[in-house]
Amino acid sequence: GESVGLHLPTLSVQEGDNSIINCAYSNSASDYFIWYKQESGKGPQFIIDIRSNMDKRQGQRVTVLLNKTVKHLSLQIAATQPGDSAVYFCAEMTGYGKLTFGQGTILTVHP
Amino acid sequence: DSGVTQTPKHLITATGQRVTLRCSPRSGDLSVYWYQQSLDQGLQFLIQYYNGEERAKGNILERFSAQQFPDLHSELNLSSLELGDSALYFCASSVHRGHPTDTQYFGPGTRLTVL
Repeated sequence: GESVGLHLPTLSVQEGDNSIINCAYSNSASDYFIWYKQESGKGPQFIIDIRSNMDKRQGQRVTVLLNKTVKHLSLQIAATQPGDSAVYFCAEMTGYGKLTFGQGTILTVHP
Repeated sequence: DSGVTQTPKHLITATGQRVTLRCSPRSGDLSVYWYQQSLDQGLQFLIQYYNGEERAKGNILERFSAQQFPDLHSELNLSSLELGDSALYFCASSVHRGHPTDTQYFGPGTRLTVL
């Protein structure tokens, strides 16, 4: 039969806007979470990470928020630029060295 | 550029064949991880090697095997290939054994097409 591909959530923003990408994770015992960016034809690129003993961490133009109560992770990108257009994945460390990835969100930034 | 290299970039082969994908980790990294990215399954962890030894295993088929050599490069062997094995295969590396804060850096991937 015909295979059904993943239907990724999409987010479209205007250049200069702030973007918020959300992710629900599955394992309440996960201790470490990472956001990756994947551009077309390239491998996932590390953006920012956060340990479970934190609820917020900031990087350059990016902030990750962790809500363990509802098992939710979000990535905020400030002043989004066209170069930020990509697929964004959250990942959780579910075993020693084993990353479990979310399905991804397609971010499109319009000039 | 993450510093992780993978060859070949593209591979086209037929069902039933066997292929080998190669990965060189970043300088100084001891762990190598293999992931498969397909349209219907997303990014999935296959296997991890640390300093030549298998460290963790994910959803890796029995037809697939991997190894890490003394110079720390790794090879992923895929045999008896099926159409469903068509996917992007990524290698990642990290400094240590996979400690929770051990960042994994990904290579550019090998696109495998099975006809």
